[in-house]
Amino acid sequence: DGGITQSPKYLFRKEGQNVTLSCEQNLNHDAMYWYRQDPGQGLRLIYYSQIVNDFQKGDIAEGYSVSREKKESFPLTVTSAQKNPTAFYLCASRDPLRVTGELFFGEGSRLTVL
Amino acid sequence: GEDVEQSLFLSVREGDSSVINCTYTDSSSTYLYWYKQEPGAGLQLLTYIFSNMDMKQDQRLTVLLNKKDKHLSLRIADTQTGDSAIYFCAERSSYTGGFKTIFGAGTRLFVKA
Repeated sequence: DGGITQSPKYLFRKEGQNVTLSCEQNLNHDAMYWYRQDPGQGLRLIYYSQIVNDFQKGDIAEGYSVSREKKESFPLTVTSAQKNPTAFYLCASRDPLRVTGELFFGEGSRLTVL
Repeated sequence: GEDVEQSLFLSVREGDSSVINCTYTDSSSTYLYWYKQEPGAGLQLLTYIFSNMDMKQDQRLTVLLNKKDKHLSLRIADTQTGDSAIYFCAERSSYTGGFKTIFGAGTRLFVKA
C-alpha cells in the first residue's frame, strides 16, 4: 500500500540538541511538505519542496532545515535555534498532476524538549 | 491576508447531526477541503468541494458552500462515537508562484453516547 511514513513517532530531546525527523513516501509524489501543529492552532507550514533538490521556506522556517536529495525522502532537522520546538510535526505530499490538490499526510512525529 | 476560521469545539449526542462551520477569506480559492484527524494521528481527507459547486453529498457527509459569504459547512448525519475527532477546514489559495493550502485551527467534535 502506498503512503507516507514518519519516524520516530515520539522523540525526546534535551535543549541545545539538533534532531532529525524522517519522512518517506512511496506515492511517487513530487511535492512534499512539513507542517507544525500546536494545540488550538491550525497547521503551519515550515518548508516545502516541489521537486528533488529544491525546497522553499514556509511561514515558520526559522530554526528548521530540510533536504530533498531523493524524491521519496524529505527529512526535517529541528535545530537548537528553534526556540519552542515541542510540537506535533506532520509531513505531507501532493501529486501536482491531481487538479483537486489534496494533501496526503503521514501519522506525525511528536517532539518533546526536556 | 489569508485566514480560515472555525470554532474550536462541538459536542453532540450519538445519533444527532453535527454541523461544523468555517469561514475563509480568499475568494479565488478553487478547492475547499475537510480533513479529519483522530487522536495522535495524521490528517485524512474526508471530502472536498470545487468552488463552482454549492453542495456535495457523500453518504453521511454533506458539504455546503456559500461563496458570497465565504462560508463552508460540514454536516455529519447520524453522528457516531467513531466520528469523535478534530475536523480541519482548508482552502486552496493562490499566491505568486502557485497554490498553497491554508488550514483552520480545527474543530474538536465530541460525541456523547
